Amino acid sequence: GDSVTQMEGPVTLSEEAFLTINCTYTATGYPSLFWYVQYPGEGLQLLLKATKADDKGSNKGFEATYRKETTSFHLEKGSVQVSDSAVYFCALSDRETSGSRLTFGEGTQLTVNP
Amino acid sequence: DVKVTQSSRYLVKRTGEKVFLECVQDMDHENMFWYRQDPGLGLRLIYFSYDVKMKEKGDIPEGYSVSREKKERFSLILESASTNQTSMYLCASSSGTLNTEAFFGQGTRLTVV
Repeated sequence: GDSVTQMEGPVTLSEEAFLTINCTYTATGYPSLFWYVQYPGEGLQLLLKATKADDKGSNKGFEATYRKETTSFHLEKGSVQVSDSAVYFCALSDRETSGSRLTFGEGTQLTVNP
Repeated sequence: DVKVTQSSRYLVKRTGEKVFLECVQDMDHENMFWYRQDPGLGLRLIYFSYDVKMKEKGDIPEGYSVSREKKERFSLILESASTNQTSMYLCASSSGTLNTEAFFGQGTRLTVV
């Protein structure tokens, strides 16, 4: 079945540092890929998405590129802020094999210190 | 503003109680989902529904049931709560359109004692 693997956390960075959170996936069909963010005490909200190979999703300074050849969707940000401290989830949706359901990675806790 | 609303933020229930978690969405979405979130395990799908009165099992349906009598409401039922069902429960909805995103509620932190 489909699966998503994220880099192990937690990740702790200083403000203005470069962020990478790795995400790789396994899917039998041709999935859409998502990054969701969960701020403390809140539900998940969509950060960015990509629906086909070589698409780049971007939002709030975060970027991720859909790499079919390496089955990856790594999240990057050039300069993190304290307000980026949250849990980040990589997810996929493979409509052909699993309808509209999302399959999530384990989540990566990011803490940014001033 | 689109909204998915879960009836409670925090619940404390006793072992053996029947527990109802309610979720309402105002976006006329076809799809609704219940996930549980546990540290180190990410989000795991319990049940989902593509339409009124339709339901399908997710990855961890044991000990749970669901009800969808109206399009906007999706209820999760713990028939006899157990301590291993202590968790964060997240409801989500999405339209039937290809590649669409899911919208999440704020979550219900359930503690079974």
